[in-house]
Amino acid sequence: GQQVMQIPQYQHVQEGEDFTTYCNSSTTLSNIQWYKQRPGGHPVFLIQLVKSGEVKKQKRLTFQFGEAKKNSSLHITATQTTDVGTYFCAGMISYGKLTFGQGTILTVHP
Amino acid sequence: DVKVTQSSRYLVKRTGEKVFLECVQDMDHENMFWYRQDPGLGLRLIYFSYDVKMKEKGDIPEGYSVSREKKERFSLILESASTNQTSMYLCASSLSRGPFAEKLFFGSGTQLSVL
Repeated sequence: GQQVMQIPQYQHVQEGEDFTTYCNSSTTLSNIQWYKQRPGGHPVFLIQLVKSGEVKKQKRLTFQFGEAKKNSSLHITATQTTDVGTYFCAGMISYGKLTFGQGTILTVHP
Repeated sequence: DVKVTQSSRYLVKRTGEKVFLECVQDMDHENMFWYRQDPGLGLRLIYFSYDVKMKEKGDIPEGYSVSREKKERFSLILESASTNQTSMYLCASSLSRGPFAEKLFFGSGTQLSVL
C-alpha cells in the first residue's frame, strides 16, 4: 500500500488565505522532497529537506521536516492564483527510490 | 536546463497491443524512472534504472517491462496493453545515485488510453 500519505486531497481557498498540506510516513525517511505540478503540466522540483527538524523558506512557502523524519509539511502564506496546482511530497524510504504521496490539489479563488 | 523528452503526448491503443513509450534525457543523468499518475493515487513508481542495461522493479511493475540500452534512453514496454493501464505515464531522470535521492526532472508525460 501507499507508504507516504498526504492530506488533504483537495483544498479550496480564497486568494490571500493560507494553505497547508501534510505528508506522513510509517517509516523513517532519509530525506523528503516537494514538487509542484501546474494544471496540464509535469511535476517540478521545489525543495529537499534532509535534517531532522529542518525548516526552509522560499518566499511565501515554508517547508518543515519533522523531528522523527516521518512527517513534513508545506505551508503557503497569503495564497495567490499562481499557486494553483497539485503539490506532492516524495520521501526516500529505500535507497535511492522516491515514494510519492497522493498529492494535494490546491484551488485558489480570486 | 535538463530536458527530458517523451516521444508522444497522447496515445490511443487497443487491448492486447504491445506499446512502447520512449524517454530521452540530454544531461548525462545516471538514473531514469517511469511513474504512472492516476487521480487520487499520486505518482507510483513502475521501474527505474541506475545504469545502462540495469533495471529495478518499482512498486507496481506487473504488466510492464523496461529497456535501457543507452544511457540517455529509457523505454517502457506494455507487453499486452489492458484497459487498467490507461493512465498518464511520466518519465524522470536524476543525476546520480547517492545516500540522498537527487531531485527528479520530469518529462511532459504521455497520456495513454487503452480501448
